[in-house]
Amino acid sequence: DAGVIQSPRHEVTEMGQEVTLRCKPISGHDYLFWYRQTMMRGLELLIYFNNNVPIDDSGMPEDRFSAKMPNASFSTLKIQPSEPRDSAVYFCASRPGLAVVNEQFFGPGTRLTVL
Amino acid sequence: GENVEQHPSTLSVQEGDSAVIKCTYSDSASNYFPWYKQELGKRPQLIIDIRSNVGEKKDQRIAVTLNKTAKHFSLHITETQPEDSAVYFCAASKGHDMRFGAGTRLTVKP
Repeated sequence: DAGVIQSPRHEVTEMGQEVTLRCKPISGHDYLFWYRQTMMRGLELLIYFNNNVPIDDSGMPEDRFSAKMPNASFSTLKIQPSEPRDSAVYFCASRPGLAVVNEQFFGPGTRLTVL
Repeated sequence: GENVEQHPSTLSVQEGDSAVIKCTYSDSASNYFPWYKQELGKRPQLIIDIRSNVGEKKDQRIAVTLNKTAKHFSLHITETQPEDSAVYFCAASKGHDMRFGAGTRLTVKP
């Protein structure tokens, strides 16, 4: 398995533009997580899904952020409109549904820069 | 919700010395405590974890201890090497979500 796949790896956009980040979890993993990493705030959990259903979105900072998981192999995180303070590295992670396996496997991240 | 605090934020040691990073958590129901290592520009990767029914776990040069009563856990790295230089994150989880500490930037000087 190629691991968690994220695209794009780097995104530079201008303030006000819509940004869509994509994630493909490891096949067979039932849980998918979106994190944001900044120097100031560290690794923040934004939202997570179980079997494609959003379970906890309390970490989503504002209504400008939205996430979807239309099927077991694809998820998107959208920011509309984007702002400079959204600049960060966004990680997607997945893990199996088995209770005995808690490890989360991270993707390579998307480095977002909003000018 | 869970709150994880991590100290120190930066740590510099001489090659061969030991390094200790400490974390505290707030939710007594948390039962899984992983440690992730993140090298510059890379993704976080699990290096060791411990469950609440165990007090200590060791894997070669790294070990983790857990004190459930005090709600704190620590990462110990012995015989540090330059390639141990990275940011280390602790985390606490009681179910499916995970809350991370702010990270410790470890520098091992050759």
